Amino acid sequence: LAKTTQPISMDSYEGQEVNITCSHNNIATNDYITWYQQFPSQGPRFIIQGYKTKVTNEVASLFIPADRKSSTLSLPRVSLSDTAVYYCLVEIPGTYKYIFGTGTRLKVLA
Amino acid sequence: GAVVSQHPSWVICKSGTSVKIECRSLDFQATTMFWYRQFPKQSLMLMATSNEGSKATYEQGVEKDKFLINHASLTLSTLTVTSAHPEDSSFYICSARDPGQGRQETQYFGPGTRLLVL
Repeated sequence: LAKTTQPISMDSYEGQEVNITCSHNNIATNDYITWYQQFPSQGPRFIIQGYKTKVTNEVASLFIPADRKSSTLSLPRVSLSDTAVYYCLVEIPGTYKYIFGTGTRLKVLA
Repeated sequence: GAVVSQHPSWVICKSGTSVKIECRSLDFQATTMFWYRQFPKQSLMLMATSNEGSKATYEQGVEKDKFLINHASLTLSTLTVTSAHPEDSSFYICSARDPGQGRQETQYFGPGTRLLVL
């Protein structure tokens, strides 16, 4: 089963870089790793997706080591508005389905 | 990114009535959509996979006769909560799978529908 494991919660201060690591030991060969952000009473919002090495977009970077058994979401210079739950997801092989883990509840402090 | 909408955004109904929630992919065609339920302070729980033109597949423990899913077109899936009871009160979220290019399929989520059954 494509289960992911993340820290349940993290605190940070405004302006700091935040790194959230997720382990996904059973990731299938062809599957991508996708990260989402969720605010209360909203649907998850796509942040970034990657397959290997490093991916960067306007809001985050994603680092994936060669064995792909983990990934790290990096949020540069967080602000209070980045307080949210962050989920890393990999598909259950052959099904297109995601099974959500606990996610990481990030709290950004002033 | 791709946009997925849901309607209504919230609904209050009496116990015993049925409620229909719509999920639409606005700028892409989605052969596969998913329905999730989320209780306060908890993670999303997958309820069912909605396949265009065929029957939905339900996760273990989800009653298919209670949660009717119809995926009549490539941009619309509906979830009907039949004979709703207070324990069905929850936040219902759909997602649609954008095939993208090659293997880079991505799921995009709707904004959610808050259901309160009195």
